[in-house]
Amino acid sequence: DAMVIQNPRYQVTQFGKPVTLSCSQTLNHNVMYWYQQKSSQAPKLLFHYYDKDFNNEADTPDNFQSRRPNTSFCFLDIRSPGLGDAAMYLCATSRAGPNQPQHFGDGTRLSIL
Amino acid sequence: KQEVTQIPAALSVPEGENLVLNCSFTDSAIYNLQWFRQDPGKGLTSLLLIQSSQREQTSGRLNASLDKSSGRSTLYIAASQPGDSATYLCAVIGTGANNLFFGTGTRLTVIP
Repeated sequence: DAMVIQNPRYQVTQFGKPVTLSCSQTLNHNVMYWYQQKSSQAPKLLFHYYDKDFNNEADTPDNFQSRRPNTSFCFLDIRSPGLGDAAMYLCATSRAGPNQPQHFGDGTRLSIL
Repeated sequence: KQEVTQIPAALSVPEGENLVLNCSFTDSAIYNLQWFRQDPGKGLTSLLLIQSSQREQTSGRLNASLDKSSGRSTLYIAASQPGDSATYLCAVIGTGANNLFFGTGTRLTVIP
């Protein structure tokens, strides 16, 4: 089945130790998104790629970076994780255009020790 | 800035009841509204998408309505089942943006 796959499902890292989360898709969608969802809060968009064009939200911390080497893969890099970065990270994809639904992966839950 | 509110935050109903979840948004200039389901510790599953020109969408026991002028949407679940227990989130895409603005969700528990 076509889908959005996030690895790993659970990630534990140490305070300040860089970590990378990955997302892959078999839907061949142009747009890929990364959201951060803290406990009992709404998902919040960090950034998105429209094909190779990177779009950063104004309030996304500099500590968060992203890479999209090809259509299928997108990575979220956290350079120096702090305790406040512990959250569920959700990847989503969609076709181009505002009336296209977004399809989400199962998320990666990040814990910081 | 768009704000999305969902009331109530939590809801418990006995199995078999029909129920309505509410979503309101402050800026009526939207492209579409999407309802999602989220199970504990999982990602989001898209349930229904209503485009701004539509009034409602139906899928099985689910019916979503949209009143753009008043900034409201409802998700109606017929004949609720324990398997419907989850958090339901609504989200809107505003004009000129790719960003989904989410509500904080309604946590539904259907009691057998």
